[in-house]
Amino acid sequence: GNSVTQMEGPVTLSEEAFLTINCTYTATGYPSLFWYVQYPGEGLQLLLKATKADDKGSNKGFEATYRKETTSFHLEKGSVQVSDSAVYFCALSRTDKLIFGTGTRLQVFP
Amino acid sequence: DVKVTQSSRYLVKRTGEKVFLECVQDMDHENMFWYRQDPGLGLRLIYFSYDVKMKEKGDIPEGYSVSREKKERFSLILESASTNQTSMYLCASSLLTSGQLYEQYFGPGTRLTVT
Repeated sequence: GNSVTQMEGPVTLSEEAFLTINCTYTATGYPSLFWYVQYPGEGLQLLLKATKADDKGSNKGFEATYRKETTSFHLEKGSVQVSDSAVYFCALSRTDKLIFGTGTRLQVFP
Repeated sequence: DVKVTQSSRYLVKRTGEKVFLECVQDMDHENMFWYRQDPGLGLRLIYFSYDVKMKEKGDIPEGYSVSREKKERFSLILESASTNQTSMYLCASSLLTSGQLYEQYFGPGTRLTVT
């Protein structure tokens, strides 16, 4: 079946550190892949997406590359800020719905 | 900007009560979704709807029902609330597309506590 696996959190970093949050997926066909972010007290919002193999999604300094050979879509940022503290969800599309990972909490300290 | 609003941010209900959670979107989206969010489990789809008066079961529909009488409004109903339905409930909407689904827009969530 279709599923998404994310690294468990929390991920705790100092400001300006490099961030990687791992995401791997299992899917039939060629899904689109997404990263959503949930800031404290808010709903989810789309951070970036990629619709085919080797596509790179990017937004607000975050990047993720759709790797078909390793079935991965890892989220990276070169220099995190305190304001990046949030929960990050990896997701894949299944025709007309999304399947989400369990989420990874990121805590950034000054 | 797309806006998805939910009727309450926090709700406390007693076991056995009938609970209504309301969601409204202002972008004329065809698709609407209800999820629950629990620690360690991520988001799980309860029900979704492609159009007015249409509904489809998601992955965990037991104990829930939905209503979509108008395109912009999608209601989640707990017929007889139980303590295991204590959770964060998130509503989302999206455009209807053929093939791959694109962005879903989420409301702020309703944190429901059933005592």
